[in-house]
Amino acid sequence: KAGVTQTPRYLIKTRGQQVTLSCSPISGHRSVSWYQQTPGQGLQFLFEYFSETQRNKGNFPGRFSGRQFSNSRSEMNVSTLELGDSALYLCASSLGGGTGDHEQYFGPGTRLTVT
Amino acid sequence: GENVEQHPSTLSVQEGDSAVIKCTYSDSASNYFPWYKQELGKGPQLIIDIRSNVGEKKDQRIAVTLNKTAKHFSLHITETQPEDSAVYFCAARYNFNKFYFGSGTKLNVKP
Repeated sequence: KAGVTQTPRYLIKTRGQQVTLSCSPISGHRSVSWYQQTPGQGLQFLFEYFSETQRNKGNFPGRFSGRQFSNSRSEMNVSTLELGDSALYLCASSLGGGTGDHEQYFGPGTRLTVT
Repeated sequence: GENVEQHPSTLSVQEGDSAVIKCTYSDSASNYFPWYKQELGKGPQLIIDIRSNVGEKKDQRIAVTLNKTAKHFSLHITETQPEDSAVYFCAARYNFNKFYFGSGTKLNVKP
C-alpha cells in the first residue's frame, strides 16, 4: 500500500506571497492532519480534516487554512507569507473513524522557505 | 489544552546499551500515546503506541510503558544499534486526532 505523499517536496517563496501544499493520504484513510515543524517550536498541530470537514484546529492565525476533497486528498494554504512561516510542513493520515482508529502515518513533508 | 514534556533532549549511548526516553502529559483525557522516529530528511515514522487501558507494550527491542496515575509514559530501546540513531518524539492524543508532541530526543548510538 502506498504511503502518504506530499507535493511539492521543496518550495521557495517570497514574503507576502501565498502557497498551497498538497497531501494524498494512504488509501482508505479519511482523516488528514497537518503539522508545522520548526527547530524552535517542534511539531505543532495546525488542523485536522475528516470527511471534508475540519474537525480540529490548532492555534495558528487565519492565514493558515485547509480543505479536504471527497477523495480524502487535502490541501493547506498559507496566505501573506512571513519569514517565520519557513518550516517543514507535515501531513499525516489515519483511518480516523472509530474510537480505535488513531494510528497516524506521516508523509515526507514539504520544506517551505520564505525569503 | 494538552502539554507534553519530553526528556532528555539528547541521549548518547554505546551500541548494545539500553536507552530510555520519558514523557509526561497534563490532560487526563488523553488516551492514546504514540512514539515516532524521525530520520534526517524524512517524516516521523510510527514505531510503537500504547492505549490508556494498557500498562505496557513490547515489539522486539522496543517497549513502551504507561503510568496513567502519574501521567507519564516511557520508551525503552534495548540492545541499541547505530541505525537506532535518530530523533524520537512522543505524543498524546487529545480530542479525535489532535495530537500534542514532545520536543524530541536526539538519540546517538555510538558503534
